[in-house]
Amino acid sequence: EPEVTQTPSHQVTQMGQEVILRCVPISNHLYFYWYRQILGQKVEFLVSFYNNEISEKSEIFDDQFSVERPDGSNFTLKIRSTKLEDSAMYFCASRYDRTGRDTEAFFGQGTRLTVV
Amino acid sequence: RKEVEQDPGPFNVPEGATVAFNCTYSNSASQSFFWYRQDCRKEPKLLMSVYSSGNEDGRFTAQLNRASQYISLLIRDSKLSDSATYLCVVNSASKIIFGSGTRLSIRP
Repeated sequence: EPEVTQTPSHQVTQMGQEVILRCVPISNHLYFYWYRQILGQKVEFLVSFYNNEISEKSEIFDDQFSVERPDGSNFTLKIRSTKLEDSAMYFCASRYDRTGRDTEAFFGQGTRLTVV
Repeated sequence: RKEVEQDPGPFNVPEGATVAFNCTYSNSASQSFFWYRQDCRKEPKLLMSVYSSGNEDGRFTAQLNRASQYISLLIRDSKLSDSATYLCVVNSASKIIFGSGTRLSIRP
């Protein structure tokens, strides 16, 4: 069964450092998303990406964040200068919807980011 | 008003009980609706889609009321393995919004 894969599963970084979280969405999907979940809290929307550009982003997704789809398979989230409060689980998701009919999103297993 | 609102629980019920979760959403233009399940420290996984006509999958029944902007999930004959957090999820154009989740704990 096709799945969304994320690497690494766990990343520890020092405050102020840049991190890149990587995702390989399901190959025929068109919409891509990043979410974060701080431990014990809700799953929060960060950004959606369609047709090689950002469709929508939340207030959390400030200038420190960027996304890229550098080739046909990878979808990355970069945090330029990490803060302690960026520590969270980051989930990538993808969704199909070529026909305009909404389908469910499939989630990767997440990258646990710890900023020290 | 929150975009998607759920009763946070926790619900602590005995095995075999029936439990109901509710969810409301604020954007009347929302297009599709789902229930996801999330186990501790794992990714959300689709439980079922939700339609106005209602849909059933074994012990699980989901219902959507567009007029009231209300979504429900009913779990019958609950099992120990149903213990998890249940997330109400609403798609609006390019954004997928999660409720805060309702934690369910089934006791033997």
